[in-house]
Amino acid sequence: NAGVTQTPKFQVLKTGQSMTLQCAQDMNHNSMYWYRQDPGMGLRLIYYSASEGTTDKGEVPNGYNVSRLNKREFSLRLESAAPSQTSVYFCASSVDDNYGYTFGSGTRLTVV
Amino acid sequence: GESVGLHLPTLSVQEGDNSIINCAYSNSASDYFIWYKQESGKGPQFIIDIRSNMDKRQGQRVTVLLNKTVKHLSLQIAATQPGDSAVYFCAENIPYGQNFVFGPGTRLSVLP
Repeated sequence: NAGVTQTPKFQVLKTGQSMTLQCAQDMNHNSMYWYRQDPGMGLRLIYYSASEGTTDKGEVPNGYNVSRLNKREFSLRLESAAPSQTSVYFCASSVDDNYGYTFGSGTRLTVV
Repeated sequence: GESVGLHLPTLSVQEGDNSIINCAYSNSASDYFIWYKQESGKGPQFIIDIRSNMDKRQGQRVTVLLNKTVKHLSLQIAATQPGDSAVYFCAENIPYGQNFVFGPGTRLSVLP
């Protein structure tokens, strides 16, 4: 049972490049989330998907887009990467929005 | 206590002692709380949860206490072990919201 799988684990981008972070869960969870984690800032919500077919902005959505491809997969896209987007990105899922999350192992992104 | 900044609050304890990690949450309407543990290079991992109709809940070596009067949550770890060294986050779920709000975290360092 893999839980939440994120790819890639590490990525270096040049300013202005685009990329998509992939996330998949095999627990039949309804809700999925993307967070970024910066030193001393804790976890900040970028976007979430309460259920298949819906997405909503979180605390820090600017510069990102998401797609809930199906119940299992929730991707995060950076259209034009900026150094301020250097961070560790975590995907998480939960049964619904009133249950605890299962997190992936993270993607460490550096934008130069 | 919790603070926002570049450096996490740090709690250092001797191996075998009990640890108490504190968290002040933000919203008096929050009705569900979770403690997560994050080891270096990994995603946060669920430890224990508590709903607002309780003031104490015990797990294996861990106890969570909730004081709604002062909006305070604590995590007690009994007989702290080296494997407990990590960053600990509290998270609160606000009713009718669709995600948890995370605190900035506390680093627990276990001394031999």
